[in-house]
Amino acid sequence: ETGVTQTPRHLVMGMTNKKSLKCEQHLGHNAMYWYKQSAKKPLELMFVYNFKEQTENNSVPSRFSPECPNSSHLFLHLHTLQPEDSALYLCASSQAAGRETQYFGPGTRLLVL
Amino acid sequence: GDSVTQMEGPVTLSEEAFLTINCTYTATGYPSLFWYVQYPGEGLQLLLKATKADDKGSNKGFEATYRKETTSFHLEKGSVQVSDSAVYFCALSAGGTSGSRLTFGEGTQLTVNP
Repeated sequence: ETGVTQTPRHLVMGMTNKKSLKCEQHLGHNAMYWYKQSAKKPLELMFVYNFKEQTENNSVPSRFSPECPNSSHLFLHLHTLQPEDSALYLCASSQAAGRETQYFGPGTRLLVL
Repeated sequence: GDSVTQMEGPVTLSEEAFLTINCTYTATGYPSLFWYVQYPGEGLQLLLKATKADDKGSNKGFEATYRKETTSFHLEKGSVQVSDSAVYFCALSAGGTSGSRLTFGEGTQLTVNP
């Protein structure tokens, strides 16, 4: 498999559930990112990892918890979400953090009931 | 801070029409500029990029030229197809103190009718 993959592609969860989103990149990159895409809003950068270390947290609520066990995998753990958290969550990777081109996965469409 | 302003959509064209989607930016230093495309139900795909002034990025018939004097990176295509219907995002990456941040415009929805 090539590029950036994300699972699941679709997720429905209640506000009391705990779930995780997974991202895997097969490009040999060292930086990975989580973005949130809501209807009628610009893409919002959530987290950045560079060489497995978190380098940016864009004031994201603690109900979103990222994990990066290695440079190829990135998780977003979800807990007690709100309906306004329903969105498309996109993962991206790049060679390194900085001005490098970012490559995106297909996204996970999340619906919080 | 850094910002990207895109032409408001939606844009509706007939097949074979000429396309321009305007993009202007504000950034410190010398950013890299990108156009990404998002087809329905999919993530973002890199369409083209330019890393320095006067560079022209091109791909699949689309072109954009990095104009430092007008801080612009307008997307053009001479003859659009129905398959070009998608949302187009202009973005910049300034690096430096902005770190790894990609700043996106709000996106422009393009619909091409046969």
